[in-house]
Amino acid sequence: DTGVSQDPRHKITKRGQNVTFRCDPISEHNRLYWYRQTLGQGPEFLTYFQNEAQLEKSRLLSDRFSAERPKGSFSTLEIQRTEQGDSAMYLCASSLRTGREETQYFGPGTRLLVL
Amino acid sequence: GESVGLHLPTLSVQEGDNSIINCAYSNSASDYFIWYKQESGKGPQFIIDIRSNMDKRQGQRVTVLLNKTVKHLSLQIAATQPGDSAVYFCAVPHGSGNTGKLIFGQGTTLQVKP
Repeated sequence: DTGVSQDPRHKITKRGQNVTFRCDPISEHNRLYWYRQTLGQGPEFLTYFQNEAQLEKSRLLSDRFSAERPKGSFSTLEIQRTEQGDSAMYLCASSLRTGREETQYFGPGTRLLVL
Repeated sequence: GESVGLHLPTLSVQEGDNSIINCAYSNSASDYFIWYKQESGKGPQFIIDIRSNMDKRQGQRVTVLLNKTVKHLSLQIAATQPGDSAVYFCAVPHGSGNTGKLIFGQGTTLQVKP
């Protein structure tokens, strides 16, 4: 257990529904990352926050995806109007960036299945 | 674009033998490299990292070797145990600058035979 928690661990939804995932990072970590992982592939970067500021978004993150980190602690990732192609593992990682040193610690992930 | 690749999708070793997992990267400016282990149904777990000013770094039963000339790194696991069975990823931070986003390879599945 790295100390990063994600909820829910599993989500099954129907196409067109909205889903929201939550990530609680390691306390006092200033950076929080979201990645997506499909079967047989490595994680792919989606977006990241430094404190409450969203500093970068991947082109993978379509308009249907939105992420927030309102108080610089937990974060939510929402997918609107889900599509079958959204089925994947959504991973959250947190880190404490000091200078150029940074190690990302991952949570257990939320596995999404869109029917 | 920047890429990270692993040489073998699957590696099968006998329990007690040493394992070597290889990784190649494309960006010669990369200065930080990380190995993660991912067990089935879990998130990636940090194993060990190395900076480009080093050629070798050792941890508990693991050693990472970095060859900047050929842009290659390897993870060596000594006396492989059944609990080492997992998918192993190498990862590098994308580009330079302030971003910490990681580029992952596809992973090598390590199977340990009893």
